[in-house]
Amino acid sequence: AQKVTQAQTEISVVEKEDVTLDCVYETRDTTYYLFWYKQPPSGELVFLIRRNSFDEQNEISGRYSWNFQKSTSSFNFTITASQVVDSAVYFCALSEAGRDDKIIFGKGTRLHILP
Amino acid sequence: DADVTQTPRNRITKTGKRIMLECSQTKGHDRMYWYRQDPGLGLRLIYYSFDVKDINKGEISDGYSVSRQAQAKFSLSLESAIPNQTALYFCATSDLRAPEETQYFGPGTRLLVL
Repeated sequence: AQKVTQAQTEISVVEKEDVTLDCVYETRDTTYYLFWYKQPPSGELVFLIRRNSFDEQNEISGRYSWNFQKSTSSFNFTITASQVVDSAVYFCALSEAGRDDKIIFGKGTRLHILP
Repeated sequence: DADVTQTPRNRITKTGKRIMLECSQTKGHDRMYWYRQDPGLGLRLIYYSFDVKDINKGEISDGYSVSRQAQAKFSLSLESAIPNQTALYFCATSDLRAPEETQYFGPGTRLLVL
């Protein structure tokens, strides 16, 4: 069965610190996708990234970076030089390849960036 | 203008009432989804549609129905609302086969069933 675990329920850091959000997944599939989403206090959902299981290259987008390691079944998300606007709940998710109907979400990590 | 819009944004209804949540998109995507989010949980898929003639049940479709009136419109109905359907509902579109591989979410509809 597929499963996504975000062990960090809530994290608080001071602005400008770096912070890493952990995501560990379980799947028997050899081909799958991993996702990260952001949900700010206003409630909307923002898609951040989708990563194919065949692509273990780390991704960097501005202050955001993702570390995908199949050996440890992890897809961690790092925010560098955090800002107050980064305060949100962040969800990691997993789907089988070709099964966009079955995206399994983790329970989310609530991140507080303190000024 | 927003790419994905949902109406209403907030709704209070009574047990047993039929209500409809509407979703429109301007992205031109074929794929549309309805999710619900409960406090402390991630999203769960209710229904999805890969084109106007293709409607599929998701993980938690019981008590819900959908209509894909056009490529741009995907409505979710609660035939007879019950209190445990109180949740935040999101519509989404995707073009996951495109190079940019992006999903777009609506702003959400907060539903309270009394």
